[in-house]
Amino acid sequence: TQLLEQSPQFLSIQEGENLTVYCNSSSVFSSLQWYRQEPGEGPVLLVTVVTGGEVKKLKRLTFQFGDARKDSSLHITAAQPGDTGLYLCAGAKDNNDMRFGAGTRLTVKP
Amino acid sequence: DAGVIQSPRHEVTEMGQEVTLRCKPISGHDYLFWYRQTMMRGLELLIYFNNNVPIDDSGMPEDRFSAKMPNASFSTLKIQPSEPRDSAVYFCATRVSGAFGYTFGSGTRLTVV
Repeated sequence: TQLLEQSPQFLSIQEGENLTVYCNSSSVFSSLQWYRQEPGEGPVLLVTVVTGGEVKKLKRLTFQFGDARKDSSLHITAAQPGDTGLYLCAGAKDNNDMRFGAGTRLTVKP
Repeated sequence: DAGVIQSPRHEVTEMGQEVTLRCKPISGHDYLFWYRQTMMRGLELLIYFNNNVPIDDSGMPEDRFSAKMPNASFSTLKIQPSEPRDSAVYFCATRVSGAFGYTFGSGTRLTVV
C-alpha cells in the first residue's frame, strides 16, 4: 500500500488540453514535493509546498497543497509534448524521510 | 556543477555475483540517499547518510545489501550475492541542510540474470 496515492495512473491527452493530477494521503506532511522524471533519467524537482492551502505557479504548472497538508494537485494549462513524463509527488514528515507516490505517467500528443 | 554522478549507468550481472554501485554527491550536500525504483513498487528509500554517517537503513531489504560513505565525496551500495529480484534502477540523491529539494543522479539500471 502506497503512503501517497496518485491519480490517474496514466493520462494521454492532446496538445493544448488542460489536465489535473492528484496526490492524496491519510497522513499529514510537513512538506510535499513534485518531481518530473523522463525515461532514463532521475526525477527532477519542480516545486516544494510547505504551507496548508499554498498555491505555487511555475509557468503553465499550478501546484496546490491541501489545507490539511494531506493532499496536493498539479494542474497543467495548455499541455505541450515537452510536458510528457512521469510526475511524482513526494511527502515528508521530516525532510529526511521522503516517500514517493507511484506517479502519473503523462503523454501529450502533438 | 556536474550534479550527482552515478556509475555505472547500466550493469548486467549473473545471479550470485557481487555488485557495487557508486555515487558522487554534489559538493557541499551533506545528506545522501539511496533509492530503488521498480515498476511494481515505485521509488523506495533504502538508506540515507548525514555527514557520511548512516542514519536510517530500515529500507534496506536484506542483509545482502550494504552501503558505505567513506568520505563526503563518495558512497557505494553493494549487493552480495545478487538475485534476479534485485533488478531495478538504483538512484542516489543528495540535498543540503536547510533545503527541501533532492537532486537525483541519472541512476544505475541493474539487471541480474
